[in-house]
Amino acid sequence: KAGVTQTPRYLIKTRGQQVTLSCSPISGHRSVSWYQQTPGQGLQFLFEYFSETQRNKGNFPGRFSGRQFSNSRSEMNVSTLELGDSALYLCASSLTAGVDEQYFGPGTRLTVT
Amino acid sequence: KQEVTQIPAALSVPEGENLVLNCSFTDSAIYNLQWFRQDPGKGLTSLLLIQSSQREQTSGRLNASLDKSSGRSTLYIAASQPGDSATYLCAVRPGYQKVTFGIGTKLQVIP
Repeated sequence: KAGVTQTPRYLIKTRGQQVTLSCSPISGHRSVSWYQQTPGQGLQFLFEYFSETQRNKGNFPGRFSGRQFSNSRSEMNVSTLELGDSALYLCASSLTAGVDEQYFGPGTRLTVT
Repeated sequence: KQEVTQIPAALSVPEGENLVLNCSFTDSAIYNLQWFRQDPGKGLTSLLLIQSSQREQTSGRLNASLDKSSGRSTLYIAASQPGDSATYLCAVRPGYQKVTFGIGTKLQVIP
């Protein structure tokens, strides 16, 4: 069974630009969560989707948004990029929202210059 | 607000030693707790998941325990190997609320 895939793996953007990251969950999983990881803050929860509905949202500005499609694939978008958005963005999938084991993808390394 | 603390932040041990990593959380109303390892620049690999009704879980040389009442979990690694070198993270999941991670313990096993 294929694991969680994230594309692209690496990305370099300029301040003010926008970026879209993609996550394909494990087949059969309906919940996708997104996290931002930085050396100073550790892993911070961004949002969680289940069956195309956002179930939870972390404490990030409105520049961070996401969505989930009917096939459970998810995208997150960051608009008006800032230098502080440079981070490893991780996606995790689970069977359902709330209580199941999470499986993580390899992440997308975003560098904002 | 749930807070998760992992102590120590870093640990260096000789190969073959048994070791314990600690994770504490402030709100005991959790559904489960999950331990992960992360290699530099990589994603997280799930090690063990403990449901709130369980006291411990075992997988190979790993054993994780959970004491909800005291807000603590430990990850025991037996007979450590250089390949165990990584950062170990615990994550607390309060049901349908957001998951909270600790900062992690960076483990180095010296051959």
